[in-house]
Amino acid sequence: NAGVTQTPKFRILKIGQSMTLQCTQDMNHNYMYWYRQDPGMGLKLIYYSVGAGITDKGEVPNGYNVSRSTTEDFPLRLELAAPSQTSVYFCASSYSTGDTQYFGPGTRLTVL
Amino acid sequence: EDQVTQSPEALRLQEGESSSLNCSYTVSGLRGLFWYRQDPGKGPEFLFTLYSAGEEKEKERLKATLTKKESFLHITAPKPEDSATYLCAVRVLTGGGNKLTFGTGTQLKVEL
Repeated sequence: NAGVTQTPKFRILKIGQSMTLQCTQDMNHNYMYWYRQDPGMGLKLIYYSVGAGITDKGEVPNGYNVSRSTTEDFPLRLELAAPSQTSVYFCASSYSTGDTQYFGPGTRLTVL
Repeated sequence: EDQVTQSPEALRLQEGESSSLNCSYTVSGLRGLFWYRQDPGKGPEFLFTLYSAGEEKEKERLKATLTKKESFLHITAPKPEDSATYLCAVRVLTGGGNKLTFGTGTQLKVEL
């Protein structure tokens, strides 16, 4: 099992550009999550999904969009990149809401 | 508001010098406390889950304990490979289901 995989590992964007961060899990987990991690701050939940076709906002959803068309994939979309979105983004998955969350390796995004 | 505070922010130990990391929390409806290890440039790696006061879990040189207000991660005779950031997270029951609130982590450096 590869677990949770994320692409790309690094990306530099200009202000106003858009991009999609990819996340795939092969553990047949129902729940998937997107977090961002900023220096000196705890991980913050952006969006989560409880299954294909069902998504909901987390703590810091502004400026992001998600979709979940399959159990395996949970892409995160940035439509108009802003410097405040410079961060490290982690995708995670769990079998159910009460289970341990397993994290991917992260995407480091810089918006200039 | 749910709060998780980790201390110290950073800790330097000599190899073999045992110590403890602290995670104190103020939450309502605790549904579990999680410890993760995070290496530089990597995603958080799951270590332990604790559910009730008095519970203890061990893995190699690490032992996690839980009280009603805090958790400790005890590191016995640490080695340089234990150097990492250790994250604590609490799961609480909210109107929308369970959510994880993370602390900011303790950065541990073990020197020869």
